[in-house]
Amino acid sequence: DGGITQSPKYLFRKEGQNVTLSCEQNLNHDAMYWYRQDPGQGLRLIYYSQIVNDFQKGDIAEGYSVSREKKESFPLTVTSAQKNPTAFYLCASSFGPRGNQPQHFGDGTRLSIL
Amino acid sequence: GQQLNQSPQSMFIQEGEDVSMNCTSSSIFNTWLWYKQEPGEGPVLLIALYKAGELTSNGRLTAQFGITRKDSFLNISASIPSDVGIYFCAGQDSGTYKYIFGTGTRLKVLA
Repeated sequence: DGGITQSPKYLFRKEGQNVTLSCEQNLNHDAMYWYRQDPGQGLRLIYYSQIVNDFQKGDIAEGYSVSREKKESFPLTVTSAQKNPTAFYLCASSFGPRGNQPQHFGDGTRLSIL
Repeated sequence: GQQLNQSPQSMFIQEGEDVSMNCTSSSIFNTWLWYKQEPGEGPVLLIALYKAGELTSNGRLTAQFGITRKDSFLNISASIPSDVGIYFCAGQDSGTYKYIFGTGTRLKVLA
């Protein structure tokens, strides 16, 4: 089945540790996105990528890093510089950022601090 | 970052009642999307709207793209218990092509 797979479902981070969240899609989408979701707030854009080997910062990129080496994959690293990383992280993809293409989401990764 | 004004924040309704929620923005959008999110899962796309004035249905759900291009509403008719969840709107900024998300409407249906 086509879709977006995020792993792991739950992740725990120790102080000073970097952790990486995985996002894989087999929808042949060009664009991929990472959002952060906190209780009572809308989704906030962390990073996005329109094509392979290219990505841009979103509204809250500080403390995060990404790579886009393959069309299917867009991993997010939450670095130790992110002082409040506890949140629900959602990955999305679309056929492109232009042309009114809707975004489709994975099932998320919940990150907590130990 | 910019966010949409979505209302109401939460609703408690009786099974069988109709539901209405809306989103407004100070910016013009060229696309409006409506999503439903259940606990611990990602948002699922319900309806996509692409033209001002467009009215689109998906089963018991109906959504409209406001003629000013700055608002949209979602109606759910004859609600059932499985309608429970958080409903988000998202508008695509016509300049940056980024999607801006509302803060969500939390719906609870009482049987």
